[in-house]
Amino acid sequence: NAGVTQTPKFQVLKTGQSMTLQCAQDMNHNSMYWYRQDPGMGLRLIYYSASEGTTDKGEVPNGYNVSRLNKREFSLRLESAAPSQTSVYFCASSETAGAGETQYFGPGTRLLVL
Amino acid sequence: AQSVTQLDSHVSVSEGTPVLLRCNYSSSYSPSLFWYVQHPNKGLQLLLKYTSAATLVKGINGFEAEFKKSETSFHLTKPSAHMSDAAEYFCVVSDPPRSFQKLVFGTGTRLLVSP
Repeated sequence: NAGVTQTPKFQVLKTGQSMTLQCAQDMNHNSMYWYRQDPGMGLRLIYYSASEGTTDKGEVPNGYNVSRLNKREFSLRLESAAPSQTSVYFCASSETAGAGETQYFGPGTRLLVL
Repeated sequence: AQSVTQLDSHVSVSEGTPVLLRCNYSSSYSPSLFWYVQHPNKGLQLLLKYTSAATLVKGINGFEAEFKKSETSFHLTKPSAHMSDAAEYFCVVSDPPRSFQKLVFGTGTRLLVSP
């Protein structure tokens, strides 16, 4: 039982390049999330998927797109990377999206945009 | 809107001494509150959570937190620090109850433990 896995662990991009961050969970959770973590700001929600087949914007969605490929997988795409997107990205999952549910986090992807 | 304030960006303790990490929240509803820990270069791990049951919540690794509505606080404590407790700790409040729970994270407190 690996929990939440993310690939890649590290990535360096040039401004304008595109990439997709992959996330998978093996806990049969319905809900999945993408966050970014910046120094001194805690985690901020980019997009979430409350259940398979649905996706919605979070607090900071500009410059990102997501795909809930199936129940297990939730990917985050940067179409044209910008230096402001340099951050650590975390994927998380929870059994449901209801109040009080525990979210389980992956190990993160460190992204540097030059 | 919900918010959470972690009152200290850094806390330094000696091994074997008590730990206190302070958190105040703002909520118009009965909130769900969480403490997560992040070790260096790792993801976040749940320490404990409060969801309107007992106000004193016990978590993993000897940590506990007390929900005090009158003080709008949810401070994290541990009687005796270990070196392995050195990490960043996040206090988190849940947005008002609705179909989707949005977590609002504090800015984190870095705990330093010296021998």
